[in-house]
Amino acid sequence: AQSVTQLGSHVSVSEGALVLLRCNYSSSVPPYLFWYVQYPNQGLQLLLKYTSAATLVKGINGFEAEFKKSETSFHLTKPSAHMSDAAEYFCAVSKSGGSYIPTFGRGTSLIVHP
Amino acid sequence: GAGVSQSPRYKVAKRGQDVALRCDPISGHVSLFWYQQALGQGPEFLTYFQNEAQLDKSGLPSDRFFAERPEGSVSTLKIQRTQQEDSAVYLCASRRDQETQYFGPGTRLLVL
Repeated sequence: AQSVTQLGSHVSVSEGALVLLRCNYSSSVPPYLFWYVQYPNQGLQLLLKYTSAATLVKGINGFEAEFKKSETSFHLTKPSAHMSDAAEYFCAVSKSGGSYIPTFGRGTSLIVHP
Repeated sequence: GAGVSQSPRYKVAKRGQDVALRCDPISGHVSLFWYQQALGQGPEFLTYFQNEAQLDKSGLPSDRFFAERPEGSVSTLKIQRTQQEDSAVYLCASRRDQETQYFGPGTRLLVL
């Protein structure tokens, strides 16, 4: 079975500060890992994905994430937060085989203060 | 090109009423997924189609939930005899390959 744990349901940062959203996964086989962002009353939008290529993955809007197998982590970072980054962020894992159906974490709400 | 679209965007139903939620995937996307997202939670998998074949329906919470995709394109999620616990956002996603899902805006269902 596969699962994802997102540490912290809410993360609050000041504009311009570092953003760090934590995600730990569990998977019996090499995983595919994803970060999605959801703005209010909208669907999920893919930020970035890891599919067994480079362990440091760069995504849209200045976000990046690093796959660390030894720590079973895939934390999302951005050097400098912008007010427009305020949203809900979801980490997801799927097995690199079978139907590739992702399992989502419970989400982390990013709050950006001026 | 056009993304995944869902209709209606909002639905209010009386308890016991049947509802039908529609998903139009991105053209050419073989795979289609339905998720249920409760307030403050992540999406929970309901069911998955590859073309017209429903390959996995293990996430459907009860036999009141039924999904179809008869021509391998548009899909409908039907909920019979709605209950208050069915209130949630229902998300549809489509996928061309084995990696990236593209999500629609969701249908927000409120059962009174």
